[in-house]
Amino acid sequence: SAVISQKPSRDICQRGTSLTIQCQVDSQVTMMFWYRQQPGQSLTLIATANQGSEATYESGFVIDKFPISRPNLTFSTLTVSNMSPEDSSIYLCSCEYRGRITEAFFGQGTRLTVV
Amino acid sequence: AQSVAQPEDQVNVAEGNPLTVKCTYSVSGNPYLFWYVQYPNRGLQFLLKYITGDNLVKGSYGFEAEFNKSQTSFHLKKPSALVSDSALYFCAVRDPSTSGTYKYIFGTGTRLKVLA
Repeated sequence: SAVISQKPSRDICQRGTSLTIQCQVDSQVTMMFWYRQQPGQSLTLIATANQGSEATYESGFVIDKFPISRPNLTFSTLTVSNMSPEDSSIYLCSCEYRGRITEAFFGQGTRLTVV
Repeated sequence: AQSVAQPEDQVNVAEGNPLTVKCTYSVSGNPYLFWYVQYPNRGLQFLLKYITGDNLVKGSYGFEAEFNKSQTSFHLKKPSALVSDSALYFCAVRDPSTSGTYKYIFGTGTRLKVLA
């Protein structure tokens, strides 16, 4: 299993600013992902964080708005840039081990409110 | 296209009664199926998965799920509900025919409320 520490757990931000969310895993994992979840809603995959290379973004998400870093196998960041109230959501980090049909592990989430 | 449906937004059940949370799926190949639970202000926690083998899968906290290929369903069940089971439950599917993507498709979630 993997334990994920995600921070901050919540934040209230002014529109037009940026917030960087950090995700730290207690072991080396192959796959790391970032999701967005509207409160009480399902999860939408933003991107796959690739170690040492550019993230792979899903349709509707772009690097300029959601830049992602993954400098090593245990750490990733997601930045929500130039925020607007529509960005208010819960952002979740997730990880998996490639090559094994295991479940995904999730951080506790970052609840972002943009005012 | 792959999809997962959770037809009930909310399920209410009395404590001690059996519970069922429904999930149906659509994939092109044989699916990998998962159930996750989310408590307030927490991330998702894994409950159980079906990859292959016995259609009845047992998981954490006394939950189980039955894979039914003919009905393309993977309903979550528990013989006796607890108030502490109240949470948001997500069914998810991964289609191994799309190997290399490792993407989950999540259902819309079902809120379970267990009444004392």
